[in-house]
Amino acid sequence: DGGITQSPKYLFRKEGQNVTLSCEQNLNHDAMYWYRQDPGQGLRLIYYSQIVNDFQKGDIAEGYSVSREKKESFPLTVTSAQKNPTAFYLCASSIRGTYNEQFFGPGTRLTVL
Amino acid sequence: RKEVEQDPGPFNVPEGATVAFNCTYSNSASQSFFWYRQDCRKEPKLLMSVYSSGNEDGRFTAQLNRASQYISLLIRDSKLSDSATYLCVVRKRDYGGATNKLIFGTGTLLAVQP
Repeated sequence: DGGITQSPKYLFRKEGQNVTLSCEQNLNHDAMYWYRQDPGQGLRLIYYSQIVNDFQKGDIAEGYSVSREKKESFPLTVTSAQKNPTAFYLCASSIRGTYNEQFFGPGTRLTVL
Repeated sequence: RKEVEQDPGPFNVPEGATVAFNCTYSNSASQSFFWYRQDCRKEPKLLMSVYSSGNEDGRFTAQLNRASQYISLLIRDSKLSDSATYLCVVRKRDYGGATNKLIFGTGTLLAVQP
């Protein structure tokens, strides 16, 4: 089945620790995105990548880092510099270009203890 | 002011009712418009695109008013399975590259009661 997978589904982390969220897609999409969702707020774009080995900051990139070494994979690292990391993190992918639908993965719920 | 604004609800309606959601956007450079559906603790999924002439998909009708910067979604004959959060989404025009940048509203919660 084609789709986007994210792991883990739930993640708990102690303050001061870095943690990496996985996102994999087998849709052969060039573009991939990371969003975070907080209660009472819309999804906000963290980072996006239009092609392998290239990525750009979104609206709230501070405290996050990404890599895009393979077309299928776009991992997100939440660093200790991110002040409010507890959130629902969603990865999406699309065919490259302005008009194409973004498909979302099932999300990772990160809680900082 | 948020770029995309929606009434958060909740809208509690009986089965069979007609319900309408509204959304306003502030950036006149907004290019494309969508309604996404998000079930509790799940990922958003595209419900329908919104075209300037208005469009319908079964029980769902979407309308766009560019002059007023206003988008609506009408659901007729509500079903229990329609219970979800409905997200208004706008794609901004990108003059430089070919990015596909979406701006999401906070969502409107619909609860259809038996």
